[in-house]
Amino acid sequence: GAVVSQHPSRVICKSGTSVKIECRSLDFQATTMFWYRQFPKKSLMLMATSNEGSKATYEQGVEKDKFLINHASLTLSTLTVTSAHPEDSSFYICSAGDRAPTNEKLFFGSGTQLSVL
Amino acid sequence: GQQVMQIPQYQHVQEGEDFTTYCNSSTTLSNIQWYKQRPGGHPVFLIQLVKSGEVKKQKRLTFQFGEAKKNSSLHITATQTTDVGTYFCAAPGNSGNTPLVFGKGTRLSVIA
Repeated sequence: GAVVSQHPSRVICKSGTSVKIECRSLDFQATTMFWYRQFPKKSLMLMATSNEGSKATYEQGVEKDKFLINHASLTLSTLTVTSAHPEDSSFYICSAGDRAPTNEKLFFGSGTQLSVL
Repeated sequence: GQQVMQIPQYQHVQEGEDFTTYCNSSTTLSNIQWYKQRPGGHPVFLIQLVKSGEVKKQKRLTFQFGEAKKNSSLHITATQTTDVGTYFCAAPGNSGNTPLVFGKGTRLSVIA
């Protein structure tokens, strides 16, 4: 199946710093990628839809100025958590489908565990 | 928006017992997907059901899509310790361009 690579897998940062997470589709082009957030033992909550070459679509309640998404190419989307605070500590995971536009199965990256001290 | 309700939240079984998780929606679904997430891992696609009343099998796993396309189930026969993990159902959102909405998941523990 398709492969989605996410980096880094784990990051620890100080409060107030920014953290960038990369999500790459390795063997297919993804015009759309999705960013999810998962708290321990909870479900995946969609944060935003990343659209190649245009602005991301954020879900209600997600601060777009705090969670900056850039999808500059068909194989790379980045999520930057700006001015991170301890409450931003979570598991962030990206996904992409290998067939546009919707309803196709998603391939997930391995996730990034963010810990903000 | 679209919501899929999934039960139970947790299930502990003895190895060899069967296990079932259920997913329900108040609206008709175009399709439903199932994912498995191992502890510490990321979700992995298991299957997609599209047709009304569809039943698909993968070894000891049986997936069903209801006749009304509003509910689905995943049944595991004779569980093994390798089945441990959280099973999520997921369905497309209400409008054409919304991504998958996930159920809360069922966390399966298998006691050897």
